[in-house]
Amino acid sequence: GAGVSQSPRYKVAKRGQDVALRCDPISGHVSLFWYQQALGQGPEFLTYFQNEAQLDKSGLPSDRFFAERPEGSVSTLKIQRTQQEDSAVYLCASSSKNEGQPQHFGDGTRLSIL
Amino acid sequence: AQTVTQSQPEMSVQEAETVTLSCTYDTSESDYYLFWYKQPPSRQMILVIRQEAYKQQNATENRFSVNFQKAAKSFSLKISDSQLGDAAMYFCAYRSERGLIQGAQKLVFGQGTRLTINP
Repeated sequence: GAGVSQSPRYKVAKRGQDVALRCDPISGHVSLFWYQQALGQGPEFLTYFQNEAQLDKSGLPSDRFFAERPEGSVSTLKIQRTQQEDSAVYLCASSSKNEGQPQHFGDGTRLSIL
Repeated sequence: AQTVTQSQPEMSVQEAETVTLSCTYDTSESDYYLFWYKQPPSRQMILVIRQEAYKQQNATENRFSVNFQKAAKSFSLKISDSQLGDAAMYFCAYRSERGLIQGAQKLVFGQGTRLTINP
């Protein structure tokens, strides 16, 4: 597709369950980002990939959060043993390699932990 | 670490009027990018306008323009001839220009301003 695609759009899980969120970036974009957006707040950085290399994971809040991009295209954000505070919108963005190019965002996945 | 502050949680404007959204930021870097993103209820972040810090000229995109004051670390967004479709959350964001240095690529967002357009 032409834009960044994220699935599912909504995810409801019980506390303690594992979840996996998918991001399909714009074709050819080497950079991929994950952000977490709590209700009424601005997005906060989680992690960054250049191709398949995870160059920055400083924003991941705990070791329950794990992201991968094995072939340098689709990325999966996995949250293990979910907790209520994980409830948020998870946004994925991609950008081209050229310096200064803006990030293009997907529609996000709204995760609700019961 | 860089921070971005949007001091106006909510703003409203009459349709066809002009509104200005404020943004200040804190950084020790001299080269960076600033952005304004719009987020409607559909949740998708849509790029509105971009400014390179080394450019003195303020960026303009149709009805949207910025007032970039580098010394004051201020980056406000002016929306002229407001339209109903402009109603959304607006986020100011900062990004370092330090290339592939770890952490340099991420966007740092402000808390957002909810803009309402009154018909």
